[in-house]
Amino acid sequence: DIQMTQSPSSLSASVGDRVTITCQASQDISNYLNWYQHKPGQAPKVLIYDASTVEKGVSSRFSGSGSGTHFTFTIISLQPEDIATYYCQQYDDFPLTFGGGTKVEIK
Amino acid sequence: EVQLLESGGGLVQPGGSLRVSCAASGFTFGDYAMTWVRQAPGKGLEWVSSISHSGPNTYFADFVKGRFTLSRDNSKNTLHLQLNSLRTEDTAVYYCAKERGAYPRYGTDVWGQGTTVIVSS
Repeated sequence: DIQMTQSPSSLSASVGDRVTITCQASQDISNYLNWYQHKPGQAPKVLIYDASTVEKGVSSRFSGSGSGTHFTFTIISLQPEDIATYYCQQYDDFPLTFGGGTKVEIK
Repeated sequence: EVQLLESGGGLVQPGGSLRVSCAASGFTFGDYAMTWVRQAPGKGLEWVSSISHSGPNTYFADFVKGRFTLSRDNSKNTLHLQLNSLRTEDTAVYYCAKERGAYPRYGTDVWGQGTTVIVSS
C-alpha cells in the first residue's frame, strides 16, 4: 500500500498568512494527487487535482505543487473561511490512500 | 449542477446488515466510475470501495473485502453499497464521490454530504 505522510497535523496562523502543508508518498505516484478541504458537517471539497491543477470555481489563493513523492499545498493568504481540515489523497494505485489531515485554525 | 445524495444510514447491531445508496443527478451517471469513502468519529478519510462506469469492475479496501458489495443501476442513476457482517469499527459517515473518468484512479471531483452508519448493540 502507498502511505501518505502529511504534515503538520495541525497549525494555527493569522489572517493573511501564507500556509503550507506537505504530503510525502511512500513511492512514486507521479502527479496522481488530490487536495481536499473538509469542513464539519459538509461534503469534502476537491481544491486541487493532478497535484497542481486548481479545480474550477476554487479560489486562486489555493495552489499545489510537486510530483513523484513530495507534494506541497499552499494557501497564499489565509482567510477566516479557510478554517477546515485539509487532506491529500493519492489515486495512482489501489488501495486509494489519504494523508492523516491537517487541521487549520486562525490564531 | 452535479449532485450526489446518500441515504440508508442508521443504527444496526454488530453482525447486522445495511444498504446505503447514492442518488446521482446533473451528469451522465453511466459514464463515470464512483467511489465510497468513510470517516469514523474523530478520524480521517478512508477509502472503502470503487466501481467502474458500467459496473463489472469493483475494488475494495482489505478491511471490507468479503463483507461489503458494491453495485450500480445506471438506468436509475443509483449506486448501492451493501454492508454485511458489520462491526463496531464500521461506524462512520459514508460518502459517495464521483470519479473523473470511466474507471477509478482518475481522482474524484464531487462528493455527497454523507450518510451516518452506527454499529452498536
